[in-house]
Amino acid sequence: GDSVTQMEGPVTLSEEAFLTINCTYTATGYPSLFWYVQYPGEGLQLLLKATKADDKGSNKGFEATYRKETTSFHLEKGSVQVSDSAVYFCAPGKTSYDKVIFGPGTSLSVIP
Amino acid sequence: KAGVTQTPRYLIKTRGQQVTLSCSPISGHRSVSWYQQTPGQGLQFLFEYFSETQRNKGNFPGRFSGRQFSNSRSEMNVSTLELGDSALYLCASSSSPSAGTDTQYFGPGTRLTVL
Repeated sequence: GDSVTQMEGPVTLSEEAFLTINCTYTATGYPSLFWYVQYPGEGLQLLLKATKADDKGSNKGFEATYRKETTSFHLEKGSVQVSDSAVYFCAPGKTSYDKVIFGPGTSLSVIP
Repeated sequence: KAGVTQTPRYLIKTRGQQVTLSCSPISGHRSVSWYQQTPGQGLQFLFEYFSETQRNKGNFPGRFSGRQFSNSRSEMNVSTLELGDSALYLCASSSSPSAGTDTQYFGPGTRLTVL
């Protein structure tokens, strides 16, 4: 079945540091890939997505590239801010009647 | 456009009781999924409904059930509550069930505490 492996953290970075959160997946077919973010006390919200191989999703300074050959979708940001402190979830989209599976989430704390 | 709403936001129950949680999806969305989120298990899929039909179900005991109404609003019910059912229950809606490319829109969740 489908699965997601994601770096669990917690990750603590200083403001303006570079961020990478690794995500690899196994899935039937070639689904779209998503990163969701959950801020404290809130539900998840879409951060970015990529719908096909070599696509790059980007939003709020975050980027991730759909790597079909390595089945990876690593999240990066060049300079994190305190407001980026949250939990980040990697998720491949469903291809048919499969269930959506989320990675375990990576907790990020950014300190001034 | 209004987002996904969940009621109630917080709930405290005792073991053995039952509880019903409600979710109203974004207008026009016909797919609703439910998730349980706990610190130990992360985000786990409960079930998905589309046009009043359950399309998929996660690995939860039969005490967890759900339904969807003709207006796409959904409810989930947990009977005979156990301490381990304490969690944040999240509802998400999307415009179609294929979700290969569809974004899921999440509500703020219902925080259930079982004493």
